[in-house]
Amino acid sequence: GNSVTQMEGPVTLSEEAFLTINCTYTATGYPSLFWYVQYPGEGLQLLLKATKADDKGSNKGFEATYRKETTSFHLEKGSVQVSDSAVYFCALSGEGRRALTFGSGTRLQVQP
Amino acid sequence: GAVVSQHPSRVICKSGTSVKIECRSLDFQATTMFWYRQFPKQSLMLMATSNEGSKATYEQGVEKDKFLINHASLTLSTLTVTSAHPEDSSFYICSARDIYDITGGNEQFFGPGTRLTVL
Repeated sequence: GNSVTQMEGPVTLSEEAFLTINCTYTATGYPSLFWYVQYPGEGLQLLLKATKADDKGSNKGFEATYRKETTSFHLEKGSVQVSDSAVYFCALSGEGRRALTFGSGTRLQVQP
Repeated sequence: GAVVSQHPSRVICKSGTSVKIECRSLDFQATTMFWYRQFPKQSLMLMATSNEGSKATYEQGVEKDKFLINHASLTLSTLTVTSAHPEDSSFYICSARDIYDITGGNEQFFGPGTRLTVL
């Protein structure tokens, strides 16, 4: 079946540091890939997505590239802010299956 | 943007009672909604897929008689936790997919969640 593996947290960074959160997946065919963010006390929000190989999703300074050869979708941001502190979930939607499969989530803490 | 609401946001009940949670898509129609459960500091686990006008599809290990799902309209799905027990305490989250989504990316919109505490 489908699965998503993402790095354990928490990740603690200083403001303006570079962020990478690793995500790899297992799926048959050509899944769509997503990053969702959950701010404290709020629901999940879509951060970015990619629907086919080599697509790059980007939003709010965050980027992730769909790498089929390495089955990865790593999240990056060049300069994090305190307001980026949240839990980040990598997820996939497999072919013919519309529900999402989530990774375990990575908590990011950005210190001033 | 697409908005999904959940009600209530928080509920505390006694063991043995039933609790109903509503999930509404406010500005779009959804033939399919999904119910997830999230344990503290853990990921979301799919419980069931709610289909408008038909029976829900439950994931393996989820008791359909325990978690009753009704999807009576294109904008409303309800999850009823019957005879709740302390082990049912959790954060329940719904999501919905716009039936007119033409991107093909299967983007889903999530509700803010409902925290259930069973005493």
